[in-house]
Amino acid sequence: SQTIHQWPATLVQPVGSPLSLECTVEGTSNPNLYWYRQAAGRGLQLLFYSVGIGQISSEVPQNLSASRPQDRQFILSSKKLLLSDSGFYLCAWKFGGGSTEAFFGQGTRLTVV
Amino acid sequence: AQSVAQPEDQVNVAEGNPLTVKCTYSVSGNPYLFWYVQYPNRGLQFLLKYITGDNLVKGSYGFEAEFNKSQTSFHLKKPSALVSDSALYFCAVSLANQAGTSLIFGKGTTFSVS
Repeated sequence: SQTIHQWPATLVQPVGSPLSLECTVEGTSNPNLYWYRQAAGRGLQLLFYSVGIGQISSEVPQNLSASRPQDRQFILSSKKLLLSDSGFYLCAWKFGGGSTEAFFGQGTRLTVV
Repeated sequence: AQSVAQPEDQVNVAEGNPLTVKCTYSVSGNPYLFWYVQYPNRGLQFLLKYITGDNLVKGSYGFEAEFNKSQTSFHLKKPSALVSDSALYFCAVSLANQAGTSLIFGKGTTFSVS
């Protein structure tokens, strides 16, 4: 069966520091991968998605970037964090196609201080 | 553009009463519709989806949802709510089979059972 791992679970970082959040998927190949951000425990905003190694699509301009160095690895990064980057970050995977559901990691609570 | 609306921020019911969480959508084409649940500080868990066929979809943990094309709605229901059903519920929509198709989520409805 497929599993998704996301770490760390919580992170407190000072303003201006770099960020690296990692997500890996096991038990499948060539998944679509996604990064979402959830502000204040409410709606999800799609940040990035990837349909293959090295292929990244950005949904909103921001202080963050994403990379997919391996088929089942998706990384969210920032060179310099802003206070507004605080939030709950969720990684997800799904098979290609609109009819398939997404499966989510447990999330990372990022607090920028 | 695709969009999903969940008109209620919070719904409160007594245990044993029916659970209904409302969702309406707007898409240009045939929608695929999904419901997810989120417990505090956790990821989203898939409950059920509508792709085609029977308008009443049954999912995990006794949840079901009814697709209504004329009203562009996909309301989530459970006949008898439990305290453990207290959580944040998300409706989502996506479109036809395209590589990279993403789920578009509503803002979520907090359901509280006392």
